[in-house]
Amino acid sequence: DAGVTQSPTHLIKTRGQHVTLRCSPISGHKSVSWYQQVLGQGPQFIFQYYEKEERGRGNFPDRFSARQFPNYSSELNVNALLLGDSALYLCASSLYASGNTGELFFGEGSRLTVL
Amino acid sequence: DAKTTQPNSMESNEEEPVHLPCNHSTISGTDYIHWYRQLPSQGPEYVIHGLTSNVNNRMASLAIAEDRKSSTLILHRATLRDAAVYYCMHSGGGADGLTFGKGTHLIIQP
Repeated sequence: DAGVTQSPTHLIKTRGQHVTLRCSPISGHKSVSWYQQVLGQGPQFIFQYYEKEERGRGNFPDRFSARQFPNYSSELNVNALLLGDSALYLCASSLYASGNTGELFFGEGSRLTVL
Repeated sequence: DAKTTQPNSMESNEEEPVHLPCNHSTISGTDYIHWYRQLPSQGPEYVIHGLTSNVNNRMASLAIAEDRKSSTLILHRATLRDAAVYYCMHSGGGADGLTFGKGTHLIIQP
């Protein structure tokens, strides 16, 4: 069975550009969450989507946006990139919106470098 | 923020049990305790979660203090593949995601 897949795996952008990261959840999972992991830190929550609606948002600026499609895949968009946006962006899928009902399955992430 | 306190690093020998502590003094009555681990160059991996009673699964055991202000993740027989950063968190289960700290870097010596 395919796990959570993310693309691209690595990318390099320059300041001011925008980036789109993609995530395909495990088949049957309706919830997708996005996390940012800066080098040396734990992942930080950005968004959660469930059944195509935003259910939760972390403390990130409006330059960050996301959406979930009818097939439950998701995109994370970041506009006006800053050097500090360089990080590993992780997508996690789960069956339900509530994390207490089961586990999150993480992808291997998209490594973004902003120059 | 739901904060937890974990040692920065721990070291253990292969094939010995490992006890990873976590303090979560601000936990509320309905918060679950979650443990994830992250191997190098991979996304986090679920280990175990629980509410009040001790929990066991194929990977580990979770021992929760009676006052729920601390917990211990127990790896019964560590292998080299268990070397990872282990994150302890507590969550009310809403849509606010999990709050990861810096975790404990577990080193396994052969």
